[in-house]
Amino acid sequence: EVQLLESGGGLVQPGGSLRLSCVASGFTFRSYAMNWVRQAPGKGLEWVSGIGGTTYYLDSVKGRFTISRDNSKNTLFLQMNSLRAEDTAVYYCAKLSYYDSSGYFNYWGQGTLVTVSS
Amino acid sequence: DIQMTQSPSSLSASVGDRVSITCRASQGISNSLAWYQQKAGKAPKFLLYAASRLESGVPSRFSGSGSGTDYTLTISSLQPEDFATYYCQQYYSFPYTFGQGTKLEIK
Repeated sequence: EVQLLESGGGLVQPGGSLRLSCVASGFTFRSYAMNWVRQAPGKGLEWVSGIGGTTYYLDSVKGRFTISRDNSKNTLFLQMNSLRAEDTAVYYCAKLSYYDSSGYFNYWGQGTLVTVSS
Repeated sequence: DIQMTQSPSSLSASVGDRVSITCRASQGISNSLAWYQQKAGKAPKFLLYAASRLESGVPSRFSGSGSGTDYTLTISSLQPEDFATYYCQQYYSFPYTFGQGTKLEIK
């Protein structure tokens, strides 16, 4: 059974930093691209970043967020710097259907809430 | 970026009804379209890919169709567990983009 377990969310002041983690199990982690998708309170879904053979970012987080992975620990990360109020959201870890091409999100974690507020 | 527009934004229906949700892309996406279901306070659940291919385990009352820029999710006979918010997503090009969601409510 595929499981994705996020952690690292919390309350942070504007301009602060946070590191999210997602531990995966139930599939060969290194063989699939992994992504972060967020959902602001009461809003829709927004793709943030992905990592497979290449890394990809939403324009509004480029230069502030860094996605990475540790295949030896089946773990995905999102380092978030210079956080803004508009980054407030539940952040979901999502497994992509493929490794090195575009695809859909066939498994999702339960999400971790990031709140950026003073 | 490819914009995805869903309609309607909300929909009231009864158990047993047939309902359809439309998703329109701002440019052709060659059937690179997925649908998700999200219940309140829960993570999205993947339903269909390639516009019309059902994920294993998803009930056959769900179906997808369309081509080019226009796509449809149809639920043939609504069940109580189907009342949720539905999102389409294009994976034709980066950044991946989602529709704004369609909230399906009980009439």
